[in-house]
Amino acid sequence: DIQMTQSPSTLSASVGDRVTITCRASQSISSWLAWFQQKPGKGPKVLIYKASNLQGAVPSRFSGSGSGTDFTLTISGLQPDDFATYYCQQYNSFPWTFGQGTKVELK
Amino acid sequence: EVQLLESGGDLVQPGGSLRLSCVASGYIFSTHVMSWVRQAPGKGLEWVSTISDVAIYYADSVRGRFIISRDNSKNTLYLQMDSLRAEDTAVYYCSRGGGCFSGVCFWPDYWGQGTQVTVSS
Repeated sequence: DIQMTQSPSTLSASVGDRVTITCRASQSISSWLAWFQQKPGKGPKVLIYKASNLQGAVPSRFSGSGSGTDFTLTISGLQPDDFATYYCQQYNSFPWTFGQGTKVELK
Repeated sequence: EVQLLESGGDLVQPGGSLRLSCVASGYIFSTHVMSWVRQAPGKGLEWVSTISDVAIYYADSVRGRFIISRDNSKNTLYLQMDSLRAEDTAVYYCSRGGGCFSGVCFWPDYWGQGTQVTVSS
């Protein structure tokens, strides 16, 4: 199975900050990586697919980069609505695997 | 608008059974791969199973106990869960999309709100 290692597990930030979350795969997954945002009591919402493509209607302050084994999610100018938990996921092969999650909280 | 609505979650005793349903609307259900993903209390996301028109995949943790199926005439995805264990306690989400075809892989692009399954005596 492909292991996904996400860091940090918690990130304290202020409105307007630029934040970066990293995700590393245990083997190459090409660009088959998605990023999700999840808020308490809600299902995940896809932000980025194929490592760097913005899902429709997702604000442009979200961006993704990387390929192979190393990936990043960047939020440029954190907004109040962005305080949530973020997950990466590889869909290169089954079993799908997710990172452990990064909780972005208010500093 | 794509909508996925899960139901069927409940409190069940260890060793018991449960069937989850996910009703889809807003798109042509039969043309999309569907999946179940779960989230234990306070934990991360764990993929459970995926069904396409040509293949079915299961996580090792549920293989032999869970069965995924779909009824395209009813726009509904199912998860039959047998021999339930305490560690199956989670919110179960259905999602649309997935699998790799002709070198292109697809991501789960829409998710439901989830249904709670609790396994406890």
